Amino acid sequence: GESVGLHLPTLSVQEGDNSIINCAYSNSASDYFIWYKQESGKGPQFIIDIRSNMDKRQGQRVTVLLNKTVKHLSLQIAATQPGDSAVYFCAGSISSGSARQLTFGSGTQLTVLP
Amino acid sequence: DGGITQSPKYLFRKEGQNVTLSCEQNLNHDAMYWYRQDPGQGLRLIYYSQIVNDFQKGDIAEGYSVSREKKESFPLTVTSAQKNPTAFYLCASSILGNTIYFGEGSWLTVV
Repeated sequence: GESVGLHLPTLSVQEGDNSIINCAYSNSASDYFIWYKQESGKGPQFIIDIRSNMDKRQGQRVTVLLNKTVKHLSLQIAATQPGDSAVYFCAGSISSGSARQLTFGSGTQLTVLP
Repeated sequence: DGGITQSPKYLFRKEGQNVTLSCEQNLNHDAMYWYRQDPGQGLRLIYYSQIVNDFQKGDIAEGYSVSREKKESFPLTVTSAQKNPTAFYLCASSILGNTIYFGEGSWLTVV
């Protein structure tokens, strides 16, 4: 089965700095990954996804990097803002035309310092 | 306003009671899911459904039941057989094979 984990349970960064949140996965057959942001007491919010045929994907202030060789992905947030403070989850799955079964890591709590 | 609506936001259950959490989506998504989240942990899949009148067990289905009588609705019943039901419950939906989107969650507490 799949195992997905995050490297650090907490991360503190200064406002305006860049943040890097890391994630590792175990199943080399996983070919689709998603990053979610979860604020306290709310549901996870989709940030960005990446398929295994890509190494990098960029969104607004966010970049996801995928290294299939070492089964690692990271989420980079540029110019971190106070509103970025939340728990960040990575999730992986194996693509199919059916319902996705995502495996989630335990999350990294990002705290943005003034 | 499109999205996934969960209700109630907060629910209290007495010992031996069954309770049902509602989930409705107006995104026309085929697949719907229920996840459980415990404090400081990731999400674990309870049940999922790809089509009306069909559903599959996830990793932690024991003590839970679901139904999918309509495409837009996927209610979750937490039965008395679930011995540790206090958690944050998340409903989600997706187009088959695509990104999963979540509702705002329901808190269930045993009193």
